[in-house]
Amino acid sequence: GAGVSQTPSNKVTEKGKYVELRCDPISGHTALYWYRQSLGQGPEFLIYFQGTGAADDSGLPNDRFFAVRPEGSVSTLKIQRTERGDSAVYLCASSAGLAGAGYEQYFGPGTRLTVT
Amino acid sequence: KQEVTQIPAALSVPEGENLVLNCSFTDSAIYNLQWFRQDPGKGLTSLLLIQSSQREQTSGRLNASLDKSSGRSTLYIAASQPGDSATYLCAVSSGTGRRALTFGSGTRLQVQP
Repeated sequence: GAGVSQTPSNKVTEKGKYVELRCDPISGHTALYWYRQSLGQGPEFLIYFQGTGAADDSGLPNDRFFAVRPEGSVSTLKIQRTERGDSAVYLCASSAGLAGAGYEQYFGPGTRLTVT
Repeated sequence: KQEVTQIPAALSVPEGENLVLNCSFTDSAIYNLQWFRQDPGKGLTSLLLIQSSQREQTSGRLNASLDKSSGRSTLYIAASQPGDSATYLCAVSSGTGRRALTFGSGTRLQVQP
């Protein structure tokens, strides 16, 4: 079946602009995660959803970052007033259940965000 | 706070060698540990998932072990091939606090033909 998909694959924006990044999880997966990966580093957790609700948003760096998952499937990560430091690859993952129940996370190809 | 360390940061070996990648984590209260492969400019491909109750998992030429009490995991790659060249990432799902994965910085592997 189809894996996790993310759009766009690349996004270049000017400092101060607003961007939206989209994630389509594997069909039927209830848990959805967003991570951010800087060059040469491992991914860092941002937020995860169980169903429609954000179960843990403690990884969001500040209030310019926000994510939604209104119908429990597709999720959108929104970044307001972008800064050059937001440049990174944003990765989305989904799993059939919570990590605590032993479910594997499957990752999408990522969106490379560049803020100029 | 869980911290994951991977050693070495980079490794270059000739084709055919067996090799071991190391991963350590500070909080042994984990649910599971995953090893991933990442090719340049690409997303993550899951290689092996070890539950906290397991000691090892095998897939083809790959074998991952887990020693939860000492906070260590190793990824063994047998008979390495140039196609194995990639960054290998270790990640743990902690049993306390955050349920998402905590990643190491990865080991960049280059297998020379």
